[in-house]
Amino acid sequence: NAGVMQNPRHLVRRRGQEARLRCSPMKGHSHVYWYRQLPEEGLKFMVYLQKENIIDESGMPKERFSAEFPKEGPSILRIQQVVRGDSAAYFCASSPTSGTGDGYTFGSGTRLTVV
Amino acid sequence: GQQVMQIPQYQHVQEGEDFTTYCNSSTTLSNIQWYKQRPGGHPVFLIQLVKSGEVKKQKRLTFQFGEAKKNSSLHITATQTTDVGTYFCAGFTGGGNKLTFGTGTQLKVEL
Repeated sequence: NAGVMQNPRHLVRRRGQEARLRCSPMKGHSHVYWYRQLPEEGLKFMVYLQKENIIDESGMPKERFSAEFPKEGPSILRIQQVVRGDSAAYFCASSPTSGTGDGYTFGSGTRLTVV
Repeated sequence: GQQVMQIPQYQHVQEGEDFTTYCNSSTTLSNIQWYKQRPGGHPVFLIQLVKSGEVKKQKRLTFQFGEAKKNSSLHITATQTTDVGTYFCAGFTGGGNKLTFGTGTQLKVEL
């Protein structure tokens, strides 16, 4: 009964390249959330998705960032033309229900370093 | 938008001392959740409180939800080195569909 799986664990990109982060939710969880955490800071909401739908992307920058959760396969967070300020830990979480349901189960995160 | 603040930001204690972190929201919360993140790790769900004035205990941890459902606290009795980490509160506002996390309290426990 695997938990939330994120890969890669560490990702190094040069400025201007694309970063693609993957997240497979827990079995039976259809709600996926992406959060960003800068060093020594809290978790900032980015986007909430269900299968094939973006429910809330209010925390995601309008440019360069996109997210999807296709019918088949993992959720993908894509960052185009990365800049140094994109360096952070990106956590994916999943839950079986939305709103006031159960607690979120987080993956181990992807640590993105832009050089 | 909704803001969730925690104090203190950092806390150093000697092993065996007690520890408390306070969480305050700018808006009324439908529920409050608490998470623990070990250094270099990911957030792990601890507990959820739903009712006004609710108190829950998990061994040495006591969680409270304020009467007005705008604040919460986590108290650890007789801290141990295994308690080291950052504790986050997180809440939904009415009708909200995502968790807003607090700023976190980083706990360090020294022998």
